[in-house]
Amino acid sequence: RKEVEQDPGPFNVPEGATVAFNCTYSNSASQSFFWYRQDCRKEPKLLMSVYSSGNEDGRFTAQLNRASQYISLLIRDSKLSDSATYLCVVDRARSGSARQLTFGSGTQLTVLP
Amino acid sequence: DVKVTQSSRYLVKRTGEKVFLECVQDMDHENMFWYRQDPGLGLRLIYFSYDVKMKEKGDIPEGYSVSREKKERFSLILESASTNQTSMYLCASSLWSEPRPNTEAFFGQGTRLTVV
Repeated sequence: RKEVEQDPGPFNVPEGATVAFNCTYSNSASQSFFWYRQDCRKEPKLLMSVYSSGNEDGRFTAQLNRASQYISLLIRDSKLSDSATYLCVVDRARSGSARQLTFGSGTQLTVLP
Repeated sequence: DVKVTQSSRYLVKRTGEKVFLECVQDMDHENMFWYRQDPGLGLRLIYFSYDVKMKEKGDIPEGYSVSREKKERFSLILESASTNQTSMYLCASSLWSEPRPNTEAFFGQGTRLTVV
């Protein structure tokens, strides 16, 4: 089983739509959770951290369910500029040395005019 | 503006060559990482380092080695390049963050390596 699993998509949605991505992780000791965004031929960049209480940043809402080991990202009112690959990222939670981040394979989103 | 810089965007090497990929960060970060990214497989960790001269294997270290002689520089070495090492290589850095684990990783622009 992969440490971090995502639906690869692709998701093709019209402008203005609401779209949700899901992610599951296998390490119950993980403490840090993120969504990164990667544009075509570019490096990944942090979109938002994910907290237990859930958090919102404009049109983006992230949720964490520790009991089910499940993370979600909701995008409301999709824009053309939201087209990208969205990476679910989880802390591998090894003690001592550097925090390792484990990346999902990514979910590709295309917002259509 | 924070910056992670990789020495080359595109590289073509021959099978059997020794290849050096260089990464420099200007953020005084303790942690540095090398990933490779392949379609359908996502980012996979090759090696990482949490201090000068310290290194640890990631998930796929075979065929690679690393060097961290200075805090700001982390080099990935392909001792004898093979065609299955054709990939996008991404360097990243992050702060040492105990006890708060939530830290952002900053990535370089990537090096697309082709081994022929």
